[in-house]
Amino acid sequence: DSGVTQTPKHLITATGQRVTLRCSPRSGDLSVYWYQQSLDQGLQFLIQYYNGEERAKGNILERFSAQQFPDLHSELNLSSLELGDSALYFCASSVASDSGGPSDTQYFGPGTRLTVL
Amino acid sequence: AQTVTQSQPEMSVQEAETVTLSCTYDTSENNYYLFWYKQPPSRQMILVIRQEAYKQQNATENRFSVNFQKAAKSFSLKISDSQLGDTAMYFCAFMKNSGGYQKVTFGTGTKLQVIP
Repeated sequence: DSGVTQTPKHLITATGQRVTLRCSPRSGDLSVYWYQQSLDQGLQFLIQYYNGEERAKGNILERFSAQQFPDLHSELNLSSLELGDSALYFCASSVASDSGGPSDTQYFGPGTRLTVL
Repeated sequence: AQTVTQSQPEMSVQEAETVTLSCTYDTSENNYYLFWYKQPPSRQMILVIRQEAYKQQNATENRFSVNFQKAAKSFSLKISDSQLGDTAMYFCAFMKNSGGYQKVTFGTGTKLQVIP
């Protein structure tokens, strides 16, 4: 158990809908990262938040947005869903200190499997 | 931009034998981190081992060890005494931290099958 929690575990929805995925980081971690893993694909970095602020963006679609709340949990919002958005969405967390170091290791949650029908 | 290449899409190994998974990367950075993550059929991403680029000594975690060749930009994972539970997809990853901004680049993975 990495200490990172994600809800829900599974989500089935229809095209055009909007969903929200939730992530709680490990205790003490300030940074949250979101990744997308399509079937038999590697992980694509979507976005990073650090202590409530967006810090880095990857290949995140405009239909997707995220935020990190004062209690450090994060939500990833996916709207106008398309069939191609079906994937496993991971959240990871780390300390992400400004000075860098082994504490920057990212630990992953169990993922949310999204199926768009 | 950094790239990570895993040239072996699939590998198999007999139980109790040793197997080495290859990973190469391309970067102009000098300070960075390298990781191996394991993704078993449950799809959970599990950290296997970490290597800091400034350390010359190869990292070891029980049956898992790496061969880090900085000049060659190579970072292979050796699994000794393979067990059935090692059957998984293995991802090599590169991370650079710059003032709290982190980006992790993953390879495409190697699917390892441990055969009884």
